[in-house]
Amino acid sequence: DIQMTQSPSSLSASVGDRVTITCRASQTISSYLNWYQQRPGKAPKLLIYAASSLHSGVPSRFSGSGSGTDFTLTISSLQPEDFATYYCQQGYSPPRTFGQGTKVEIK
Amino acid sequence: QVQLQESGPGLVKPSETLSLTCTVSGGSISNYYWNWIRQPPGQGLEYIGYIYYRGNTNYNPSLKSRVTISLDTSKNEVSLKLTSVTAADTAVYYCARGCSGGSCYNWFDPWGQGTLITVSS
Repeated sequence: DIQMTQSPSSLSASVGDRVTITCRASQTISSYLNWYQQRPGKAPKLLIYAASSLHSGVPSRFSGSGSGTDFTLTISSLQPEDFATYYCQQGYSPPRTFGQGTKVEIK
Repeated sequence: QVQLQESGPGLVKPSETLSLTCTVSGGSISNYYWNWIRQPPGQGLEYIGYIYYRGNTNYNPSLKSRVTISLDTSKNEVSLKLTSVTAADTAVYYCARGCSGGSCYNWFDPWGQGTLITVSS
C-alpha cells in the first residue's frame, strides 16, 4: 500500500493567515493526489483534485501544488469557515489511502 | 445533482455481519466507481474498497477477508457487508462516488452523509 503522511497533524492560525499543509507519499504517485475538507460532524468534501485543480464551487483562496511524492495545500487567507480537518488522498493505485489529517484550529 | 444516502442498523453485535446500503439518487450508477470509506470516532479516514459499475471490485488488504461490496443497478443501490465484526469496526461509514475515464484521478465526490455503526453486545 502507498502510505500518505501529512504534516503538521494540527496547527493554530488566525483569520487572514496563510496556511500550508504538506502531504508526502511513500512512492511516486504522479499527480494522483486529492484534498478534502471535513468539518465536525460532516462528511468530507472534495477541495482539490489532480494535485492542483480546484473543484467546482471551492473558493480560490485554496490551492494545491506538487507532483511525484511531495504535495502542498495552501489557504491564502484563512476564513472562519476554513477551520476544519484536511485530508490528502492518493488515487494512483488501490487501496486509495488517506493521510492522517491536519486539524486547523483557531488561534 | 447526485446524492448518496447510507442506511444501516446502527448497532451490531460482535461476531455478526454488518450490512449497509448506499442509495444513489439524481443519477445513475453506470460509468462510475462506488466506494466505501469509514472513520472511527475521533480518528482519520480508512478506505474500505470499491466496486465499478461493471462489477469489478477491489478491497483494502487489511479488510479483504471480511468485506464484500455489491451493486443492485435496478434499485440504484450499493451495498457493503463486513463479517465477524468487533469493537474496532465501530465507525461512521461513508459511501462516495469515484470517477472513471481518461481524466480521472480517482477522487471521491460526492459523499453520503455517513452512518454511525456501533459494535457492541
